[in-house]
Amino acid sequence: DAGVTQSPTHLIKTRGQQVTLRCSPKSGHDTVSWYQQALGQGPQFIFQYYEEEERQRGNFPDRFSGHQFPNYSSELNVNALLLGDSALYLCASSDEGASTGELFFGEGSRLTVL
Amino acid sequence: AQKITQTQPGMFVQEKEAVTLDCTYDTSDPSYGLFWYKQPSSGEMIFLIYQGSYDQQNATEGRYSLNFQKARKSANLVISASQLGDSAMYFCAMRGEGGSTLGRLYFGRGTQLTVWP
Repeated sequence: DAGVTQSPTHLIKTRGQQVTLRCSPKSGHDTVSWYQQALGQGPQFIFQYYEEEERQRGNFPDRFSGHQFPNYSSELNVNALLLGDSALYLCASSDEGASTGELFFGEGSRLTVL
Repeated sequence: AQKITQTQPGMFVQEKEAVTLDCTYDTSDPSYGLFWYKQPSSGEMIFLIYQGSYDQQNATEGRYSLNFQKARKSANLVISASQLGDSAMYFCAMRGEGGSTLGRLYFGRGTQLTVWP
């Protein structure tokens, strides 16, 4: 049973560029959340997708957008990259119907903006 | 607003000894869940243990136990019989228990645990 998979694992972009990160949730999970983890910090919630719609959003600008597909996989898009967007981006999946709603995380996509 | 505080940037423990990682929280939600995650250098967040705010007993998962003191708003992680493989960053996290809040965790800044032989 595959867990949460993310791609790419590492990438380097320059300021002003756009990036797309991808996530496949754990089998049986229907909810996907994205987190940004800056160096030395805990993860910060970006947004959550359920039934192909953004259901919750953290304190991130509109440059951060996402999408969820019918197969529950998800993309995170960041436009007009800034140096401060350099971070580890974590995808987490969960089952809406589960009692505790444990989150399963992927290994992340490490983005470096130069 | 939810807030998690981890006051120990780093902790050191000898192999086979027990260690306690501190976590305090602040929330106005009547019902909430508390989590601990382990993050090795690979980056993946590994779930360790969960405690619901209305659970009467402290949660345990193998060598991990959660010392939950609701009145003090603390949720400390106790690792018994430490192993070298326990060396990692440890995060305490919290969320409200409403259905729509599933997936939205608030994390502390983490504690780097180092286990030495």
